[in-house]
Amino acid sequence: AQRVTQPEKLLSVFKGAPVELKCNYSYSGSPELFWYVQYSRQRLQLLLRHISRESIKGFTADLNKGETSFHLKKPFAQEEDSAMYYCAVGVNSGGSNYKLTFGKGTLLTVNP
Amino acid sequence: DTAVSQTPKYLVTQMGNDKSIKCEQNLGHDTMYWYKQDSKKFLKIMFSYNNKELIINETVPNRFSPKSPDKAHLNLHINSLELGDSAVYFCASSQAGQGISYNSPLHFGNGTRLTVT
Repeated sequence: AQRVTQPEKLLSVFKGAPVELKCNYSYSGSPELFWYVQYSRQRLQLLLRHISRESIKGFTADLNKGETSFHLKKPFAQEEDSAMYYCAVGVNSGGSNYKLTFGKGTLLTVNP
Repeated sequence: DTAVSQTPKYLVTQMGNDKSIKCEQNLGHDTMYWYKQDSKKFLKIMFSYNNKELIINETVPNRFSPKSPDKAHLNLHINSLELGDSAVYFCASSQAGQGISYNSPLHFGNGTRLTVT
C-alpha cells in the first residue's frame, strides 16, 4: 500500500528565508505526487502536481524517484504562505479505483 | 461559482442522533469522495463513488452510509453519532483518467465541521 511521510509536523521560518517542506513516499508503481495547501479554516487547494512541473506562488517541487521524495521548496518565504501543507500520492488501482493518500501535514509558520 | 459545495458548514449535535451532510459538484466529474480530517489535522479517505457506484470503502463503521443519487451528488448519512465522530468532513471530486492518463486532481469542498456533544 502507498504511504506518505512528512517528517516535520511544524516548521517555522522568518519572512524572506528559504523554506523546504519534506515529503517521502513509498509505492511500488508509478505514483502521482501532489502538494495541497490548507489556509486557516479553508478547504484544501491543489498547489502543485508533479506531472505539471510548474511553479505556483513561488513554490516548486521535483519528484526524485531514486530517493522517493517530493520536497516542496520556496526560496523566499512570505507571511501569507503560513498554512498547513499536505503531500499526497495518487494511485489508480484499476478502473475507477483511484484515491489520494495524504501525509500527516506540515504546519508552516512564516514570522515577520 | 463554488465547484464543490457542502452543506451544512457547521453541524453541532448530541450523541446518538442521526445526521446528514450533503455534497454537490458542478465540475462534471464522475468520481466523488468523502475524507475525514481529525483533530490532529490528519486526512483520511472514507469513501469514493464513480458514476453512483461505490468504489472505495475504507473500513469505516457501518453507521456511516454514503448515498449517491447521481454523479454530481454524494451525501453522507451518519447514524447514532458518537463523540469520536467529531471532525471536519471534506467532500471532493475528480475525473477518472482513461487508460494510462492520469486522473484529474481532486477538488475539495469547504468542509463540514461536525461537533458531537
